[in-house]
Amino acid sequence: AQTVTQSQPEMSVQEAETVTLSCTYDTSESDYYLFWYKQPPSRQMILVIRQEAYKQQNATENRFSVNFQKAAKSFSLKISDSQLGDAAMYFCAYRSPNAGKSTFGDGTTLTVKP
Amino acid sequence: DAGVTQSPTHLIKTRGQQVTLRCSPISGHKSVSWYQQVLGQGPQFIFQYYEKEERGRGNFPDRFSARQFPNYSSELNVNALLLGDSALYLCASNLDTLFYEQYFGPGTRLTVT
Repeated sequence: AQTVTQSQPEMSVQEAETVTLSCTYDTSESDYYLFWYKQPPSRQMILVIRQEAYKQQNATENRFSVNFQKAAKSFSLKISDSQLGDAAMYFCAYRSPNAGKSTFGDGTTLTVKP
Repeated sequence: DAGVTQSPTHLIKTRGQQVTLRCSPISGHKSVSWYQQVLGQGPQFIFQYYEKEERGRGNFPDRFSARQFPNYSSELNVNALLLGDSALYLCASNLDTLFYEQYFGPGTRLTVT
């Protein structure tokens, strides 16, 4: 079974600065998908960024980018130019191809200080 | 287009009671998955349904059941509620089982007293 570990329960960043959230996972599969979700206090889970394991190029979405290290089974999220609206719980998730199930980490609470 | 919708928003039940939670997927999406999110933890997979058939089940007791209707909406039922069932229940839809991107609803907050 796959597992996802987020080792930072809480992180803090100054507005306009850059922060990196860590995620490691364990799997025996060679093909899979990785995601970062944002869950604000309003609790709606929002997809931030996704990465297909077969792609070597790291995914980027505006201020959000990932560092995907397949051999190390590491998938970190970098948020550049942090904004107050980035404050939320961030979840790393793993998904097998053709599977309805996503496996989530326990999340990292990000605080953005003005 | 409307996103994934869930009802009710909040629910308070007593131990031993039964509860039904409802989910409507994004129009055109045929797959619905249910997750339980206990406070302070990540969501845990409960069920996936596709074309009205169960396609996956997580490690939850038989007190949990679900079904999907011809219009692809879904219900999650929990019988004999326990205090530990108190959680946020999330529904997610995706186009089909081959399409990996899931879209989540706002969730139903269930409190068992």
